[in-house]
Amino acid sequence: QITLKESGPTLVKPTQTLTLTCTFSGFSLNTSGVGVAWIRQPPGKALEWLALIYWDDDKYYSPSLTNKLTISKDASRNQVVLTLTNIDPVDTATYYCVHSPPWENIFAHWGQGTLVTVSS
Amino acid sequence: EIVVTQSPATLSVSPGERATLSCRASESVGSNLAWYQLKPGQAPRLLIHGASNRATGVPVRFSGSGSGTEFTLTISGLQSEDFAVYYCQQSKKWPFLTFGGGTKVEIK
Repeated sequence: QITLKESGPTLVKPTQTLTLTCTFSGFSLNTSGVGVAWIRQPPGKALEWLALIYWDDDKYYSPSLTNKLTISKDASRNQVVLTLTNIDPVDTATYYCVHSPPWENIFAHWGQGTLVTVSS
Repeated sequence: EIVVTQSPATLSVSPGERATLSCRASESVGSNLAWYQLKPGQAPRLLIHGASNRATGVPVRFSGSGSGTEFTLTISGLQSEDFAVYYCQQSKKWPFLTFGGGTKVEIK
């Protein structure tokens, strides 16, 4: 059974750096073809894809946020970390960690998400 | 960027009836279209990928159709657990994908 769980601060001040951790089980980021992504949803708004990292450390970022995001993995700890720099109130959102199965361009399993509020 | 538009924004349906949700892409995405179900406090759920392929464990009452720019998610015989928000997502140039604005299916 594949599970993913997001963790991190619930309240962040503007201009700070937000660090979110995804801890997963049921699959390995050492397996060829596997990917883990981050997707967010601001309150009352649509979903937005942010970043994706693959088993081979290949990384992809949303073009509109590429200067703000960094994704990394620690396969031995079954974790993926997303950092957002210079955080702004528009970054208030529920952040989801998502599993992409080997060689399939789909987001098959999602975490429950973590709500991050950006406010001074 | 490919813009994805969903309609209607809200759909009021009685239990047992059929719900038809629409998704339109601003350019052809072939069959690279997925549907997700979101409920408050729960992990989002993949329903359909490749426009018409049900994900593992998804009931047969959920079906997807379409290609190019026009897509449909049909829920036949709505059950209480189906009242939720549904999003479509295009992935023509994976992983640079975009989502629609969502359709809320509510009890009539």
